Amino acid sequence: DTGVSQNPRHKITKRGQNVTFRCDPISEHNRLYWYRQTLGQGPEFLTYFQNEAQLEKSRLLSDRFSAERPKGSFSTLEIQRTEQGDSAMYLCASSKHSGGAYEQYFGPGTRLTVT
Amino acid sequence: AQRVTQPEKLLSVFKGAPVELKCNYSYSGSPELFWYVQYSRQRLQLLLRHISRESIKGFTADLNKGETSFHLKKPFAQEEDSAMYYCALSATGANSKLTFGKGITLSVRP
Repeated sequence: DTGVSQNPRHKITKRGQNVTFRCDPISEHNRLYWYRQTLGQGPEFLTYFQNEAQLEKSRLLSDRFSAERPKGSFSTLEIQRTEQGDSAMYLCASSKHSGGAYEQYFGPGTRLTVT
Repeated sequence: AQRVTQPEKLLSVFKGAPVELKCNYSYSGSPELFWYVQYSRQRLQLLLRHISRESIKGFTADLNKGETSFHLKKPFAQEEDSAMYYCALSATGANSKLTFGKGITLSVRP
């Protein structure tokens, strides 16, 4: 499968614990995005990278959240001191320039449950 | 600020009936508009984008800048069209994050 992959697919953690998710984009894609989706809502933008540079962060991304893309390939999203409100599906997408806009391809997501 | 509104949560139609999924947007510039679809137990995938002006799986969508709408239409629904549909907006230029609507569930009954 040459699509975007995410690991783990599911994560259950206790409140206060740290968690880290990984995203592997499509190999030739230079942009990588993180979104969060809660029940009944569409995906909400968190942050994105062009190569290894983090170009934008949403206000949704509190100080407890940090994302990296150290070599411009895979990316990690870490949540420190998790809270129950962090329970959501975390989606990763990647893209390359196509016809004047960046078409984004999504991964299957990581479902986080904070108990 | 960018905003996408999908006013309905659910649309249920019989096979062969026409379908229109509504999408309205708010953005001060010239946006790129997309429709994404998520079939059961599958990942979110792009259905169509307004700049390509294509018909995908019989679906079309026209950008109406006067009404700030990008409604998705299909003249004859099929059971395999049953899915979750999201309208999304991206600013043109370097900022390409997507702003999504809340989505609508399309159910096509036999």
